Amino acid sequence: DGGITQSPKYLFRKEGQNVTLSCEQNLNHDAMYWYRQDPGQGLRLIYYSQIVNDFQKGDIAEGYSVSREKKESFPLTVTSAQKNPTAFYLCASSGVLLQGLETQYFGPGTRLLVL
Amino acid sequence: AQKVTQAQTEISVVEKEDVTLDCVYETRDTTYYLFWYKQPPSGELVFLIRRNSFDEQNEISGRYSWNFQKSTSSFNFTITASQVVDSAVYFCASMDSSYKLIFGSGTRLLVRP
Repeated sequence: DGGITQSPKYLFRKEGQNVTLSCEQNLNHDAMYWYRQDPGQGLRLIYYSQIVNDFQKGDIAEGYSVSREKKESFPLTVTSAQKNPTAFYLCASSGVLLQGLETQYFGPGTRLLVL
Repeated sequence: AQKVTQAQTEISVVEKEDVTLDCVYETRDTTYYLFWYKQPPSGELVFLIRRNSFDEQNEISGRYSWNFQKSTSSFNFTITASQVVDSAVYFCASMDSSYKLIFGSGTRLLVRP
């Protein structure tokens, strides 16, 4: 089945530790995105990538890093510089952005908790 | 700048009631896109609908219907004869020429049996 997978479902981070969230898609989409969701709030864009080996910062990129070495994969690293990482992280993908016509489809999410 | 407002934080209805979720958007662009997503307790966002700014025709899909009115900058979502499975958080979102998807804060819908 085509879709977006995220792993792990739950992730625990210790103080000062970097952790990496996985996002894989087999929809042949060019663009991929990472969002953060805090309780009772909407989603905020962390990073996005429209093509392999290229990515741009979103609205809340500080303390996060990404890579896009393959079309199917867009891992997100939450670094120790992110002081409040506890949140629900959602990955999305869409076709090539042509005049904003492409709809974003979302994965099941990863819940990150700080120990 | 874009902004999406969902003033209703939480709505509770009894099964079979009709319910309308409000969405008000702000944008300076003349071409933009509006979306509704559903987030069930599992957490995954499920795409429901996309509308273009140049198409104000209302849409119906089964028990779901959407009312897009440019004059009031609103894109409201109505569920007819609600069911317990409709319980979820519903997000309205917009996309303008920046190609960024801007979300409202969501409306939590609880449908009681």
